[in-house]
Amino acid sequence: DIQMTQSPSSLSASVGDRVTITCRASQSISNFLNWYQQKPGKAPKLLIYAASSLQSGVPSRFSGSGSGTDFTLTISSLQPEDFATYYCQQTYTSPPTFGPGTKVDIK
Amino acid sequence: QVQLQESGPGLVRPSQTLSLTCTVSGDSFSDASYYWSWIRQPAGKGLEWIGRVYISGSTNYNPSLKSRVTISIDTSKIQFSLKLSSVTAADTAVYYCARVNYGSGSCSNWGQGTLVTVSS
Repeated sequence: DIQMTQSPSSLSASVGDRVTITCRASQSISNFLNWYQQKPGKAPKLLIYAASSLQSGVPSRFSGSGSGTDFTLTISSLQPEDFATYYCQQTYTSPPTFGPGTKVDIK
Repeated sequence: QVQLQESGPGLVRPSQTLSLTCTVSGDSFSDASYYWSWIRQPAGKGLEWIGRVYISGSTNYNPSLKSRVTISIDTSKIQFSLKLSSVTAADTAVYYCARVNYGSGSCSNWGQGTLVTVSS
């Protein structure tokens, strides 16, 4: 299985901050990388697919980049509703695997 | 807009079989642009992909669970189902069903999730 790692595992930030989360794959996955946001007690929500494509209805402050093994999720200006846990997922090979998550909380 | 809803027992005895159904509403169920997956999440932990089923009935499973998992689809009922046999406490988790975009493999729509506890 392809192993996914994320850094940091958690971060504290303020409203308006620019936030960057990194995801790394144990081998090249081209651009088969998706990002999800999960709030407590809720199902994950797709934010970014294919590394950099914004899912319909997701605010433009979210962006993704990268290819191969290294990927980034950026929130350009953190909003109160963005405090959540973020997961990356590779879908290059089966089984699809998720990163361990990055929890973003209020500073 | 497609909606997914999991249903099934919230408590399963050890060594028994966990059975869940996902009912889909909306107009994409037979669209070959999508397939259907089960994913689970133990409390306070990360996400684990269980397997997927295509509208054709073809399936793929996580090798870590393959010997115990069966996923099936019923197009007449617009449902797909999960069976996980020989459960233990380690199978206690929130189970999600999801619609998956064929090209990217991204899960664009999720059910709300259902907690299944394995306990005697």
